Parts: sequence; C-alpha cells; structure tokens
Amino acid sequence: KAGVTQTPRYLIKTRGQQVTLSCSPISGHRSVSWYQQTPGQGLQFLFEYFSETQRNKGNFPGRFSGRQFSNSRSEMNVSTLELGDSALYLCASSVGGSYNSPLHFGNGTRLTVT
Amino acid sequence: KQEVTQIPAALSVPEGENLVLNCSFTDSAIYNLQWFRQDPGKGLTSLLLIQSSQREQTSGRLNASLDKSSGRSTLYIAASQPGDSATYLCAGPYSGGGADGLTFGKGTHLIIQP
Repeated sequence: KAGVTQTPRYLIKTRGQQVTLSCSPISGHRSVSWYQQTPGQGLQFLFEYFSETQRNKGNFPGRFSGRQFSNSRSEMNVSTLELGDSALYLCASSVGGSYNSPLHFGNGTRLTVT
Repeated sequence: KQEVTQIPAALSVPEGENLVLNCSFTDSAIYNLQWFRQDPGKGLTSLLLIQSSQREQTSGRLNASLDKSSGRSTLYIAASQPGDSATYLCAGPYSGGGADGLTFGKGTHLIIQP
C-alpha cells in the first residue's frame, strides 16, 4: 500500500511570492492534516480536512489556506511568503481523523524563503 | 490550551539498555495520546496510539502507558538497538476549539551507541 506522498520535496521561493504544496493520502483515508515543523517551534498544527470540509484550524494567519478534493488529495497554499515561513511542511492522513486514528505522515516539503 | 512537554530533550545510551521516555500534557481531558518517531530528513512514523479508555499499548519492544489523572505518558523501549536512534515525539489533541489536530512535544533525541 502506497504511503502518503508529498510534492514537491524541496522548494525555494522569494519573499512576497505564493506557493502551493500537494499531498496525496493513503488510499481509503478521508482525513488529511497539515503541520509546520521548524527548529524553534517544533511541530505546529495548521489545519485538518475530512471529506472536503475543514474541521479545524490552528493558530496561523489567513495567508495559510488549504483545500481537499473529492479524491481526498489535499493542497496547501501560502500567499505573500515571509522569511519566517521557511520550514518543513508535513502532511498526514488517517482513516477518520486524529480523534481516533493514528496519523500517517509523508516525508514533507522543505520550503526555503529567501 | 494543550501543552505537551518531553523530558529529556536528548538521551544517549549504550546498546541493549532498557529506557523510558517521558511525556507530560496539561489538558487531562484528552481522548488519545500518540507516540511517533522521526528519522533525520523524514516524516513521522506512528508507533503507538493510546485511547483515553486504555492505560497502555504494546508493539514489539515498545510499550506506552497513559495516566490521564497525572497528565503523563511514558514510552518504554526494551533492549535498545542502534536502529532505534531517532527523535521520539508524543502528541495530544489540539485544543484550539475543535476535536481535531495534534499538539506535539519538542521530542526526545535518542542515540543508541553500538
């Protein structure tokens, strides 16, 4: 069974640009969540989607947005990039959400903002 | 607001030793507690998920316990091996207004010396 796939693996952008990250969950998983990982803050929850609906959102500015498609694939968008957005962005899928299911993570997208 | 703390931040032990990693959380009304490992440059791998109605879970050489009343969880690793070297993270539910998403500790960086 294929794992969670995130593309691209690496991205370099400049301040002010926008970026879209993609996540394909494990087949049959309907929940996709996104996390930001930095050396200083560790892992922080961005948002979670289930059956195309955003169920919860972390404490991030509105520049961070996401969506989920009918095939459960998800995209995350960051607009007007700032230097502080440089991080590893991790996507995780689960059968029913982190409420009662283990999360399966992809290897992440490393975003560098210059 | 849920806060998760992991002690120690780093640990180095010789191969073959049994060891315990600690995790504490502030919101005792959790519905589950999850343990993950992260290898350098990779995403997270789910190790164990303990539901609030359970006190412990076991998988191979790993045993995780949960004590909601004291706000603590421990991960016990028996007969450690060099392949166990990784960062271990625990996570409780994000309490930012919904039932989804996880709050992570900063992790314990574990090195098993051959």
